[in-house]
Amino acid sequence: DIQLTQSPSFLSASVGDRVTITCRASQDISSYLAWYQQKPGKAPNLLMYAASTLHSGVPSRFSGSGSGTEFTLTISSLQPEDFATYYCQQLHSHPFTFGPGTKVDIK
Amino acid sequence: QLQLQESGPRLVKPSETLSLTCTVSGGSISSSLYYWDWIRQPPGKGLEWIGSIYYSGTTYYSPSLKSRITMSVDTSKNQFSLKLSSVTAADTAVYFCARHVLQLPDKYYMDVWGQGTTVTVSS
Repeated sequence: DIQLTQSPSFLSASVGDRVTITCRASQDISSYLAWYQQKPGKAPNLLMYAASTLHSGVPSRFSGSGSGTEFTLTISSLQPEDFATYYCQQLHSHPFTFGPGTKVDIK
Repeated sequence: QLQLQESGPRLVKPSETLSLTCTVSGGSISSSLYYWDWIRQPPGKGLEWIGSIYYSGTTYYSPSLKSRITMSVDTSKNQFSLKLSSVTAADTAVYFCARHVLQLPDKYYMDVWGQGTTVTVSS
């Protein structure tokens, strides 16, 4: 199985901050990576796929980069509605594993 | 607008079989563009992919659950289902169904999710 790690696991930030979350894969997954945002009690929402393609309707302050084994999700200017947990997921090969998540909290 | 809705018993006894159905509305399950997936999330923990099914019945299962999982699809009802046998307390989780897009050649993602249903394993 392909393992994903995320760093940091917890991040405390203020509105307006630039935030970067890293996802690392245990083997080369090319660009088969998606990012999701999840708020408490809700289903995950797709933010990004193919590592850097912004899903329809997602604000442009979100961006993604990377390929191979290292990927980043960046929020250019954190907004109040962005406080949530973020997960990466590899869709290169079964099983389609998720990272452990990064919780973004209010500073 | 496509919507997915999970349904099934919320309480299952240990050693019994958990059965859930996902009803797809606002679109057809019989499309070559999509797989249909199950994902779960234990209380306070992260997401775990369970498996995928294609409208033709082709399935892919998580190796860690493979011996206990059966997924099926009913195109006439626009539904797909999950059965997980021999459940224990470790199977207590929120179970989500999701649409898995196959945008060939290299864009795959889960873009529409059900709201999730909490299943508790307890006697």
